[in-house]
Amino acid sequence: AQTVTQSQPEMSVQEAETVTLSCTYDTSENNYYLFWYKQPPSRQMILVIRQEAYKQQNATENRFSVNFQKAAKSFSLKISDSQLGDTAMYFCAFMNDYKLSFGAGTTVTVRA
Amino acid sequence: EPEVTQTPSHQVTQMGQEVILRCVPISNHLYFYWYRQILGQKVEFLVSFYNNEISEKSEIFDDQFSVERPDGSNFTLKIRSTKLEDSAMYFCASSLDRVGNGGWLFFGSGTQLSVL
Repeated sequence: AQTVTQSQPEMSVQEAETVTLSCTYDTSENNYYLFWYKQPPSRQMILVIRQEAYKQQNATENRFSVNFQKAAKSFSLKISDSQLGDTAMYFCAFMNDYKLSFGAGTTVTVRA
Repeated sequence: EPEVTQTPSHQVTQMGQEVILRCVPISNHLYFYWYRQILGQKVEFLVSFYNNEISEKSEIFDDQFSVERPDGSNFTLKIRSTKLEDSAMYFCASSLDRVGNGGWLFFGSGTQLSVL
């Protein structure tokens, strides 16, 4: 079974600064997908970014980028130029065929 | 922009009662899912559904749970006899292709189920 570990329960960042969230996973598969989801206080699940394991290039979506280290099974999320609206819980997720396995989440608070 | 719609947003029920949570997936999607999140915990996979049958289910999805796509547009999750520990946010999701083939998973905004 795949496991996803997010070792940082909470992170705080000053507005306009950069914050990096860590995620590691365990799998014996070679082809898979990784995702970061944002869950604001409304509790809706919003896809932030995804990475295909067969791609070496790190995915980027505007202010969000990942550092994907396949050998280390690491998939960190960097939020640049943090905004107050980025305050949310962030979940790392690993794709396994029909389902996603989620990490425990990291609460990010952006301070004004 | 197409979206996954869930109703109701909040559901309160008495322990032992049956509940049905409803979802309307994105219209051309073929794969459907239910996830749940107990308050303060991680999001957990319950079940996936394709071609009118369950593709995969987790240990949580026991005989008390069932899913159905009754009319080609709705996708429902039924809990036969609710327990206190079923209290959670239930998320419906859909994708055009299997997640394993890179299908994007789109989540609904959730139904908060409270069992009293």
